[in-house]
Amino acid sequence: DAEITQSPRHKITETGRQVTLACHQTWNHNNMFWYRQDLGHGLRLIHYSYGVHDTNKGEVSDGYSVSRSNTEDLPLTLESAASSQTSVYFCASSDGTGFAGANVLTFGAGSRLTVL
Amino acid sequence: GQNIDQPTEMTATEGAIVQINCTYQTSGFNGLFWYQQHAGEAPTFLSYNVLDGLEEKGRFSSFLSRSKGYSYLLLKELQMKDSASYLCAVADSNYQLIWGAGTKLIIKP
Repeated sequence: DAEITQSPRHKITETGRQVTLACHQTWNHNNMFWYRQDLGHGLRLIHYSYGVHDTNKGEVSDGYSVSRSNTEDLPLTLESAASSQTSVYFCASSDGTGFAGANVLTFGAGSRLTVL
Repeated sequence: GQNIDQPTEMTATEGAIVQINCTYQTSGFNGLFWYQQHAGEAPTFLSYNVLDGLEEKGRFSSFLSRSKGYSYLLLKELQMKDSASYLCAVADSNYQLIWGAGTKLIIKP
């Protein structure tokens, strides 16, 4: 079965360290997204990609970067982790077909990141 | 600015009906989406509305009024497994999803 997997599921790191969260999907979806979810806030878009070598900034992209070298993977890197980046991070993908296709998202299980 | 409003928490009884409201103000509109998220899990897609009216999917229905910037999710014959957060999201003029903070639905026996 096709799936979207995130790793690690839990990560504790220190302020200033570089952290990379992995996202791998076997749906063969063109569109991939990274969101963060914090209490009291809706999901907030960090970065997204509509295909290989395409990356775009979302609403809260400062301090984060992504790269898309193949269809399956969109790793999220925190260049220098800050306590404000403590959050749950969700990767999602969509096939982008049809009127709503781009926004019918399949989510990974999430990565809980704590920055001390 | 862009804004999605939905109640923070609602409580309902098993077997009953509950309506979760969502109002929105966005720059453009390209569809309204409902997702379900159980505690500690990922969101999963429930339904979407593009045109005004009611879309029915089994026990769940979603309604949209674009002129009023308003939608609701109707859950019938509530089951304990329906205890979850329900996320409302609107696709704006760039087809980007703007998300509400979610409504936590508590089902009591």
